[in-house]
Amino acid sequence: DIVMTQSPDSLAVSLGERATINCKSSQSVLSSSNNKNYLAWYQHKPGQPPKLLIYWASTRESGVPDRFSGSGSGTDFTLTISSLQVEDVAFYYCQHYYSTPYTFGQGTKLEIK
Amino acid sequence: EVQLEESGGGLVQPGGSLRLSCAASGFTFGGAAMHWVRQASGKGLEWVGRIRSKANTYATAYSASVKGRFTISRDDSKNTAYLQMNSLKTEDTAVYYCTPGGVSGSYFPGWGQGTLVTVSS
Repeated sequence: DIVMTQSPDSLAVSLGERATINCKSSQSVLSSSNNKNYLAWYQHKPGQPPKLLIYWASTRESGVPDRFSGSGSGTDFTLTISSLQVEDVAFYYCQHYYSTPYTFGQGTKLEIK
Repeated sequence: EVQLEESGGGLVQPGGSLRLSCAASGFTFGGAAMHWVRQASGKGLEWVGRIRSKANTYATAYSASVKGRFTISRDDSKNTAYLQMNSLKTEDTAVYYCTPGGVSGSYFPGWGQGTLVTVSS
């Protein structure tokens, strides 16, 4: 099974500043057949269902603000929030969908400094 | 708009059974794989399993933690997916979400509000 490891576990960033969350997979999630990385990012606020932010490692879901961006390839990925807003306080999870079982990272708690 | 409504959660004793339902609308249900994801209180998201479409032979897959105890099924005529949970353990206590796979991959663009399952004596 592919293990997803996020860092850090928690992060405090000042409003308007950049937030960076990392995700590492125990094996590559890059497909040689289509050159796509099978990696997604979600935002999860307490009491709400998770929200898809990014898929294929860097494709922003419709309606997601452009301050959210995803990058990386193979085993190392990054979610960047370019200018932190109050409404971005949440947990963030990466997830691979390369092969079953599809697994999530342990989550990163993002707070305001 | 994708809409999903999970139901069937509740309190059950260890060793007991429960069946969750997921009523879906707003997308072509019959063509979509349906997944179940859960979150225990204070824990992260855990993928539980999925059932593929009829065109993909209704193939199922499960996480190791539920394999052999949980069964996912679907009724395309009712646009509903099910999660049959047997031999429940206290560690199965969680909010359970159903979600369709994306158009081109098993990422999850739509989620229901979830249903709470509590396994306790």
